[in-house]
Amino acid sequence: ETGVTQTPRHLVMGMTNKKSLKCEQHLGHNAMYWYKQSAKKPLELMFVYNFKEQTENNSVPSRFSPECPNSSHLFLHLHTLQPEDSALYLCASSQETSGGYNEQFFGPGTRLTVL
Amino acid sequence: DAKTTQPPSMDCAEGRAANLPCNHSTISGNEYVYWYRQIHSQGPQYIIHGLKNNETNEMASLIITEDRKSSTLILPHATLRDTAVYYCIVRLLNYGGSQGNLIFGKGTKLSVKP
Repeated sequence: ETGVTQTPRHLVMGMTNKKSLKCEQHLGHNAMYWYKQSAKKPLELMFVYNFKEQTENNSVPSRFSPECPNSSHLFLHLHTLQPEDSALYLCASSQETSGGYNEQFFGPGTRLTVL
Repeated sequence: DAKTTQPPSMDCAEGRAANLPCNHSTISGNEYVYWYRQIHSQGPQYIIHGLKNNETNEMASLIITEDRKSSTLILPHATLRDTAVYYCIVRLLNYGGSQGNLIFGKGTKLSVKP
């Protein structure tokens, strides 16, 4: 248990569906992240939120829409996905301060399959 | 792109020390060396980080060469549960936007065998 939970753990969806991934951190952190891990590829950073504000979007297609309603929750809304979007989606959190970056704690991930 | 180079795979006998090398020849003076690992189908787990001095915690030791161009992660007594992909990451520690992001490479797949 890392203090970061993700639901659902597995998701199968069609290309026309709309679904959402949820992440919750119980660590009191102020930064949250979405990563994508495709088969046989390195983890790719998708989005970064600091104090609920999005600070990074690494050229992610608009069919992925993040939402951070508060510092403990992070969502990834999915719509009209493609089969190549099938991957493990990982959420992470960290406590960022003016003194520097700290280690990120990762959730177990959501295994997404797009049919 | 990742700024580190690691061997794609390594084997280690259970109970023996596992020494995982990493090259980071372009590291700058204010960049730290971080190590994470990812056990199959789980999220990455932080192991250790360092700047220039050797570091040790309950999980591992980190040995950084004097010129800081390479480092070695040491698991002193590897167990079967240490089988995972180990990532060496160079990361800016001072707060400054995206330069502090974790950039994962392909890592080293460590297989601990009985």
